Amino acid sequence: GAVVSQHPSWVICKSGTSVKIECRSLDFQATTMFWYRQFPKQSLMLMATSNEGSKATYEQGVEKDKFLINHASLTLSTLTVTSAHPEDSSFYICSASRGMNSPLHFGNGTRLTVT
Amino acid sequence: GENVEQHPSTLSVQEGDSAVIKCTYSDSASNYFPWYKQELGKRPQLIIDIRSNVGEKKDQRIAVTLNKTAKHFSLHITETQPEDSAVYFCAASIGSSASKIIFGSGTRLSIRP
Repeated sequence: GAVVSQHPSWVICKSGTSVKIECRSLDFQATTMFWYRQFPKQSLMLMATSNEGSKATYEQGVEKDKFLINHASLTLSTLTVTSAHPEDSSFYICSASRGMNSPLHFGNGTRLTVT
Repeated sequence: GENVEQHPSTLSVQEGDSAVIKCTYSDSASNYFPWYKQELGKRPQLIIDIRSNVGEKKDQRIAVTLNKTAKHFSLHITETQPEDSAVYFCAASIGSSASKIIFGSGTRLSIRP
């Protein structure tokens, strides 16, 4: 159990366009989902915590108007990168857990390239 | 702010030898400490975790120790094998409500044949 599906796995877009990434927990309900960003050969940097039915909590330095997060149900969270720029190119990966102090289960990640 | 520090950044060991990766954390309320293994281009996979009410946990060749007083926790891999080569991340929950988990900077482990 504890499967997290993330889509798309990769996307190429032009500067100025928006990209939506979906994260689904397939076999469990996730009250909280987390969005991380990973640059090559670097660690996972937490961007925001997505709570079902409420506004996301963003980490310091992450622009909430640029990275829109919606957690409409207990099994789906979306991250929309708005007005993408080349510096937004990165590996975005979501994760979900069953609850407090429970393991994080990661999606496969989305490699975003902005040209 | 809250942070998790991890050392070393790279580690090379002879096949069959042991590997140790160490982490420290800053939030005294942290109570959950998972370790993840990430192979190139793939998602992180949980390999072991420990909670603050336990000082040590072992699963076959992998063990984790936790020293809450010193805010240290370590990953020990014994009898290393080529398939152990990967990047390993420690992580810690933040706050008494464990509202989020932050990661260390990662250790690239290479196993020499």
